[in-house]
Amino acid sequence: EAGVAQSPRYKIIEKRQSVAFWCNPISGHATLYWYQQILGQGPKLLIQFQNNGVVDDSQLPKDRFSAERLKGVDSTLKIQPAKLEDSAVYLCASSSPAGTGEQYFGPGTRLTVT
Amino acid sequence: GQQVMQIPQYQHVQEGEDFTTYCNSSTTLSNIQWYKQRPGGHPVFLIQLVKSGEVKKQKRLTFQFGEAKKNSSLHITATQTTDVGTYFCAVPNAGNNRKLIWGLGTSLAVNP
Repeated sequence: EAGVAQSPRYKIIEKRQSVAFWCNPISGHATLYWYQQILGQGPKLLIQFQNNGVVDDSQLPKDRFSAERLKGVDSTLKIQPAKLEDSAVYLCASSSPAGTGEQYFGPGTRLTVT
Repeated sequence: GQQVMQIPQYQHVQEGEDFTTYCNSSTTLSNIQWYKQRPGGHPVFLIQLVKSGEVKKQKRLTFQFGEAKKNSSLHITATQTTDVGTYFCAVPNAGNNRKLIWGLGTSLAVNP
């Protein structure tokens, strides 16, 4: 089966610009996650969707970050305006409702804010 | 809040030596997951442990879940350069078992 797809793979923007990332999870995976991973650290959950509803967005900086999963399939994560400290890899993951909670990750988008 | 501690943070070994990383939780766990992230890559699921005292093996990798279900270990026998990467443990959040709490990871470097 196809894995989790993400685009773009790399993005360089200047601070105060906006950027959007796209994720398409594994087919049939109801739960979708967006993580931020700063170099040398573990993944930090930004938002968790169950179908098209938000389950957890407690660590999402809502003044500048937004995410949606309108049809319960693919998702977009937006940053507006970007700050230097947003430079990180943004990982999308999905998990199956029939599984035991293991998550499958996409290749990530490496964002550099200058 | 719920925390998971992982040690060591870094480990350098000579190829052929063994390697172990440990994960400790402040609370009793329903399960624990292990992931591997190669340099420049994304986390890849390795295994999930569920039962108290459980031991699972994948080739040269041995995973253990403590009797009290509060700790776990990953042991690699006779490391190879392909084992290089960061090994993360992750545990389900007590209030939302589809949300994982991640350890900081153990970065393994293998000298050929």
